Amino acid sequence: SAVISQKPSRDICQRGTSLTIQCQVDSQVTMMFWYRQQPGQSLTLIATANQGSEATYESGFVIDKFPISRPNLTFSTLTVSNMSPEDSSIYLCSSARELSTDTQYFGPGTRLTVL
Amino acid sequence: AQSVSQHNHHVILSEAASLELGCNYSYGGTVNLFWYVQYPGQHLQLLLKYFSGDPLVKGIKGFEAEFIKSKFSFNLRKPSVQWSDTAEYFCAVTGRRALTFGSGTRLQVQP
Repeated sequence: SAVISQKPSRDICQRGTSLTIQCQVDSQVTMMFWYRQQPGQSLTLIATANQGSEATYESGFVIDKFPISRPNLTFSTLTVSNMSPEDSSIYLCSSARELSTDTQYFGPGTRLTVL
Repeated sequence: AQSVSQHNHHVILSEAASLELGCNYSYGGTVNLFWYVQYPGQHLQLLLKYFSGDPLVKGIKGFEAEFIKSKFSFNLRKPSVQWSDTAEYFCAVTGRRALTFGSGTRLQVQP
């Protein structure tokens, strides 16, 4: 199983600022994903980030708000831009080698509070 | 599109009671099914998974789930719960896309 770490583990930010969350996987993986878990809610997929291609965003999420980088097979970043209190959530990174045969593993999450 | 429904939002049980959490999915093709657990203050962990083969799968901590294709269901069971099973349980499905999660079931086990 993959071991995933995220930085920072939590942060408190001011409205209008941006935060970049880092995700590191301990092995090379084809697919990385970013999810959001709003307070008391389930996980919602933000985007899929495959190395060497542009991230694919789900409905309701746009690149200008959540730019993603995937510079290599073990690392990805998610930026939450121009934050508002509605962005207060836990942001989770996930990885898988291949969807039909592999399990998605999750990082510990980044708890973001926007004031 | 793939989707998941969890019918039990909040379940309260006494220790030693039996547990069954419902999960139904919607997807037209071959699916992989998962149950994840999130203990208070901890991150998401895999409880069990189904890819193919025996539709009755066993996971960690005495949990099991049965895939019933005709009912599009993947219910989670445990014959005797413990206080330490208090957590949020998520059913999830993947076909050819990233995992789609159900709304989650909060399980509270009373000593």
